[in-house]
Amino acid sequence: GENVEQHPSTLSVQEGDSAVIKCTYSDSASNYFPWYKQELGKRPQLIIDIRSNVGEKKDQRIAVTLNKTAKHFSLHITETQPEDSAVYFCAASIRGNKLVFGAGTILRVKS
Amino acid sequence: EAGVAQSPRYKIIEKRQSVAFWCNPISGHATLYWYQQILGQGPKLLIQFQNNGVVDDSQLPKDRFSAERLKGVDSTLKIQPAKLEDSAVYLCASSSILVGGTGESGYTFGSGTRLTVV
Repeated sequence: GENVEQHPSTLSVQEGDSAVIKCTYSDSASNYFPWYKQELGKRPQLIIDIRSNVGEKKDQRIAVTLNKTAKHFSLHITETQPEDSAVYFCAASIRGNKLVFGAGTILRVKS
Repeated sequence: EAGVAQSPRYKIIEKRQSVAFWCNPISGHATLYWYQQILGQGPKLLIQFQNNGVVDDSQLPKDRFSAERLKGVDSTLKIQPAKLEDSAVYLCASSSILVGGTGESGYTFGSGTRLTVV
C-alpha cells in the first residue's frame, strides 16, 4: 500500500541553527504534501503545505521543497527557536482525498 | 470558525470493555476522518466519511471497531471489546474538500481522545 517514510526520527539542533526533515512517498499520484507540528498532548497543526505543481514554498522561517521525480519532499526550518521543539509529521495525499502520514520527527532545539 | 470538537479528552477502560468517542466537525465540512495515533507513530486512517456515507473503512478493524455519521454532521467511533493494543489517541479531522477532488486539503484536527486500555 501507499506509505510515507520520514527521517530522521529525532533531531537535535542548537538554537539559531537550521533543521531539515526529509520524507519520501510511494504513490506517484500524490499531489498534496502538508506538514504538521504536534506539541505534547496537543492536536497536529498544519504549518505549511505544497502542491505538486510547485517546487518550493516559503513562509517566514519555514520552507518546503518537493522533488516529484524522486518522490521526496523536505521541511526546512531556519533560525530555530526553542518554541520550534515539537514532533513534526509529513503527509502525502492519496486517492480519495486521504492523507498518509510519516512516523514523525522529534525536533529538540537547545538553547 | 469553531474547531473540530471531540469528547471525551481522556478515557481509561479495562480490556474487553466497550468505549465510544464523539466528534463534531467544523460546520459545513463534508468529509470527516477518524485516525488512530499510537504513541511514537504518525496518525493512521481508520475511516473516512463523505457526508453520511463511508468512503473508506479498509483500515478499520471491523470485528471490534464501528463508526457512524448518521446525519452527515457529528460522528461516533466505538470499540467493543477493547484490547490492550487499542491504547492510543483517536483523532477526528474534517475537511471541506469533496472526495475525488484535487487531493488538496488542509485537514483540521480535533484535540483527540486519549484511550488507555488496562
